[in-house]
Amino acid sequence: AQTVTQSQPEMSVQEAETVTLSCTYDTSESNYYLFWYKQPPSRQMILVIRQEAYKQQNATENRFSVNFQKAAKSFSLKISDSQLGDTAMYFCAFMMTSGSRLTFGEGTQLTVNP
Amino acid sequence: EPEVTQTPSHQVTQMGQEVILRCVPISNHLYFYWYRQILGQKVEFLVSFYNNEISEKSEIFDDQFSVERPDGSNFTLKIRSTKLEDSAMYFCASSNRGYAGELFFGEGSRLTVL
Repeated sequence: AQTVTQSQPEMSVQEAETVTLSCTYDTSESNYYLFWYKQPPSRQMILVIRQEAYKQQNATENRFSVNFQKAAKSFSLKISDSQLGDTAMYFCAFMMTSGSRLTFGEGTQLTVNP
Repeated sequence: EPEVTQTPSHQVTQMGQEVILRCVPISNHLYFYWYRQILGQKVEFLVSFYNNEISEKSEIFDDQFSVERPDGSNFTLKIRSTKLEDSAMYFCASSNRGYAGELFFGEGSRLTVL
């Protein structure tokens, strides 16, 4: 069975600064997908970024990038130039290539301070 | 922008009562999911649904649970006889791909069982 762990329940950052959210996972699979989802207060969870395990290149989406370390089973999210709208709960999630179920971490509540 | 909508946003029920949670997925999506999050715990997968049948279900999804797409637009989760431990936030999601597709989530339905 797969597990995903986010060891930082809460984090805060000043506007315009950079913050990194940590995620580790455990699996015996060699190919899979990893995701970061964001859930703003009272809003839907939305996809931030996706990484395919067979790709060595780290995914980037504008101000969001990941540091994917497959051997270490680590998948951290870096948010550059943090904005007030980045305040949200961030979930790391795992999906096998053979299935469609997401396995989530505990979530990290990020607060961006003005 | 198309959204997944869920009703009700909050339901309070007595233990042993039947509950139906409703979801309207994005109109051209074919894959549908229910997840739940018990307060203070991780978001957990319940079930995935495609082509009018369950494609995958978790250990949580026992005989008390059922899903249905009754009219081509709604996707429902029924809990036949609610228990205290069914109190949770239930999230519906839809996708246009069965594997590694981006899941679009609703805002959730909070179920409180007394």
